[in-house]
Amino acid sequence: GENVEQHPSTLSVQEGDSAVIKCTYSDSASNYFPWYKQELGKRPQLIIDIRSNVGEKKDQRIAVTLNKTAKHFSLHITETQPEDSAVYFCAAKGQAGTALIFGKGTTLSVSS
Amino acid sequence: DGGITQSPKYLFRKEGQNVTLSCEQNLNHDAMYWYRQDPGQGLRLIYYSQIVNDFQKGDIAEGYSVSREKKESFPLTVTSAQKNPTAFYLCASSMIGTGVTNEQFFGPGTRLTVL
Repeated sequence: GENVEQHPSTLSVQEGDSAVIKCTYSDSASNYFPWYKQELGKRPQLIIDIRSNVGEKKDQRIAVTLNKTAKHFSLHITETQPEDSAVYFCAAKGQAGTALIFGKGTTLSVSS
Repeated sequence: DGGITQSPKYLFRKEGQNVTLSCEQNLNHDAMYWYRQDPGQGLRLIYYSQIVNDFQKGDIAEGYSVSREKKESFPLTVTSAQKNPTAFYLCASSMIGTGVTNEQFFGPGTRLTVL
């Protein structure tokens, strides 16, 4: 089955810096890669996703890149703000009939 | 944050007791999922269901059971066979099929504590 590895487990940056979180996946048939943000005590919420037919996607300060050959994808947050502090999860989904498999999460701390 | 609800928010159970966690959605989603969240472990899949009266085991199904009698409801039972049930449980739902978003929407979660 699918296995998703996520690094780093913790990340501390200064306000205004960029943050990058990386994930690798094992199943070459996976075709959907979402990123979720979970604030303390709250439910995970989707912040951006990408499909396997696209190499990069941007939404304001957030971007995701996908390298299908290497089977890895990354989340990029630019101009970080204190409200970006949260736990971020990557996930991968195989073909129809399978569920999302999540990485173990990255705790991002943005200090002002 | 409407659409998918879980109850109760907090649940306390004595060892040896079964307990059922509720999950309801009014998003008309076909698929529903149960995840367990422990510190440093991410979200681990327990069970999922893509259609009424059918469900599949996830990575950590042992000690858990589910049912899907209605499209809107996917209750999870934590049985006494689950050796370490204290955790945060999240339910989610999504559409399935080609040409639709695969985004999973999460409920607010139930924090289960075994005393």
